[in-house]
Amino acid sequence: LAKTTQPISMDSYEGQEVNITCSHNNIATNDYITWYQQFPSQGPRFIIQGYKTKVTNEVASLFIPADRKSSTLSLPRVSLSDTAVYYCLVAPISSGSARQLTFGSGTQLTVLP
Amino acid sequence: DAEITQSPRHKITETGRQVTLACHQTWNHNNMFWYRQDLGHGLRLIHYSYGVQDTNKGEVSDGYSVSRSNTEDLPLTLESAASSQTSVYFCASSANQDYEQYFGPGTRLTVT
Repeated sequence: LAKTTQPISMDSYEGQEVNITCSHNNIATNDYITWYQQFPSQGPRFIIQGYKTKVTNEVASLFIPADRKSSTLSLPRVSLSDTAVYYCLVAPISSGSARQLTFGSGTQLTVLP
Repeated sequence: DAEITQSPRHKITETGRQVTLACHQTWNHNNMFWYRQDLGHGLRLIHYSYGVQDTNKGEVSDGYSVSRSNTEDLPLTLESAASSQTSVYFCASSANQDYEQYFGPGTRLTVT
């Protein structure tokens, strides 16, 4: 199982770019990297997933170096509403590996005015 | 719009009682999952199903059971509720992979 390590908490100010890094040293060849966002009293929400290099969507960017042992979730120009817990997960692309999905405790991002 | 719903949203029960939490999705997803979330533990997988009549144990399955009789529903049953099962329970579903899951709003269960 590819264990992930991410900071417990981060603070930022409105309008800044926030980068949350996740370490996954023993990631396997067929593993993908996935990030979720969870607001208080809600279920987690899928944000982005990637395998290598850079992936961008309307919410965030995901940077994955060549060795894939870490990844960085980048949130551009955060607002107060981006305050949430962010989870990094590593799992095989195919179905059948649910037991390998480990959410961990995530990173609590607090955006300050 | 497709969605995933859970009921009840809040439940208080007594130790030893049987409790069933409902999960219903209209995504027509094959895969469904149950998690519990406790302070300091993140989300932990209880049971999951990859299709009708298929069920599998997750990381913390003791004291819980599920059954999948149709695509839309995966009810979670606590056979004999214990105070250690006080938690927030989330149901999720996904199409043909595990990593992109759609979560329900959660059920807060208190066992007294």
